[in-house]
Amino acid sequence: ETGVTQSPTHLIKTRGQQVTLRCSSQSGHNTVSWYQQALGQGPQFIFQYYREEENGRGNFPPRFSGLQFPNYSSELNVNALELDDSALYLCASSSLKTTNYGYTFGSGTRLTVV
Amino acid sequence: SQQGEEDPQALSIQEGENATMNCSYKTSINNLQWYRQNSGRGLVHLILIRSNEREKHSGRLRVTLDTSKKSSSLLITASRAADTASYFCVSFTGGGNKLTFGTGTQLKVEL
Repeated sequence: ETGVTQSPTHLIKTRGQQVTLRCSSQSGHNTVSWYQQALGQGPQFIFQYYREEENGRGNFPPRFSGLQFPNYSSELNVNALELDDSALYLCASSSLKTTNYGYTFGSGTRLTVV
Repeated sequence: SQQGEEDPQALSIQEGENATMNCSYKTSINNLQWYRQNSGRGLVHLILIRSNEREKHSGRLRVTLDTSKKSSSLLITASRAADTASYFCVSFTGGGNKLTFGTGTQLKVEL
């Protein structure tokens, strides 16, 4: 059984560019959530995908969008990057069976916008 | 916005001592979870306590929950240098299908 894997691990982008981050969920998990963690802060919920549909969204603008694929892997896309988008982006997978047993997080993608 | 806050924000202890972290949250919860994060990387789930439970143990971890005060505490007994990390109190409300994180406690365990 594999855990949650995220790619890339580090990324540097220029303000105004677009970025795609990827996440492979843990085997058996059909739900993927994305979180943004600024330096020194706790993670903030961006959105969640369940069966390829968005299933909840936090307080993030529309330029943050996502996809979930039939194999339950997911992408986070951010358009028109701003300096404040620099953060650690974390992906977490879960299923209804694991709701009461905690989420499994990947190691994150550290995005730096210059 | 953050759901609540951990207290203290930073804690430094000697190896072998116990570490206690407290957490407050704002809204009703289905369960409350504690996660550990090493060096700003991925989060590791430590323990979950349901809203109808008051205390739970897992190895060297003990969690309490007081829903009337909307507070929880995490006790790590006989701490080790490897316990050095940030610890987050995380509430799960079910309806929003999201985890809401506190601000975290940075624990440093010195040899």
